[in-house]
Amino acid sequence: GAVVSQHPSWVICKSGTSVKIECRSLDFQATTMFWYRQFPKQSLMLMATSNEGSKATYEQGVEKDKFLINHASLTLSTLTVTSAHPEDSSFYICSARVGQEGSPLHFGNGTRLTVT
Amino acid sequence: AQTVTQSQPEMSVQEAETVTLSCTYDTSESDYYLFWYKQPPSRQMILVIRQEAYKQQNATENRFSVNFQKAAKSFSLKISDSQLGDAAMYFCALHTGTASKLTFGTGTRLQVTL
Repeated sequence: GAVVSQHPSWVICKSGTSVKIECRSLDFQATTMFWYRQFPKQSLMLMATSNEGSKATYEQGVEKDKFLINHASLTLSTLTVTSAHPEDSSFYICSARVGQEGSPLHFGNGTRLTVT
Repeated sequence: AQTVTQSQPEMSVQEAETVTLSCTYDTSESDYYLFWYKQPPSRQMILVIRQEAYKQQNATENRFSVNFQKAAKSFSLKISDSQLGDAAMYFCALHTGTASKLTFGTGTRLQVTL
């Protein structure tokens, strides 16, 4: 089946630094990838839709200058958390759809970010 | 706007028994898709079942089945013969073509006891 690989699985960084999270589709091409954020014991909240070769579409309330998304190829999307602060500590999950609208999303394993 | 509501934060079921998780949703679209995803302690999101709104027949995947009531905008998940490995967070999700994104409910934590 379709596999989405996310790296790193966890990362600890200091306040003010930037962190890059990679999301790869291993056996399929993904023109669109989705980035979600999940706080402890809460649901997944869509942050942005990553479009290959064009700008990402951010959800309301998500700072595009803080959460930089790049989707330079059909198999790779990256999320960079810039100038990280402790409140950015969370679980970040990427996903991609195989097939047309309405097809299930395939999720990466997620990245636990801790900002100290 | 589309919304998904899961009114049961936690549920418990004994092994081998049956449990039903509730989900209601709201959308103005006529064409949409509904999903149940499972998130075990590993936090990997796993697709459980998918329902196309234009299909009247309820989707079934082995021990998992849904009760899709389109008029009532209800989409419950029934787990039969519950197993210890079913213990997880279960998220109901809605996808519409217009929004082109997946909206999740708040989740139900399922415990399976011996």
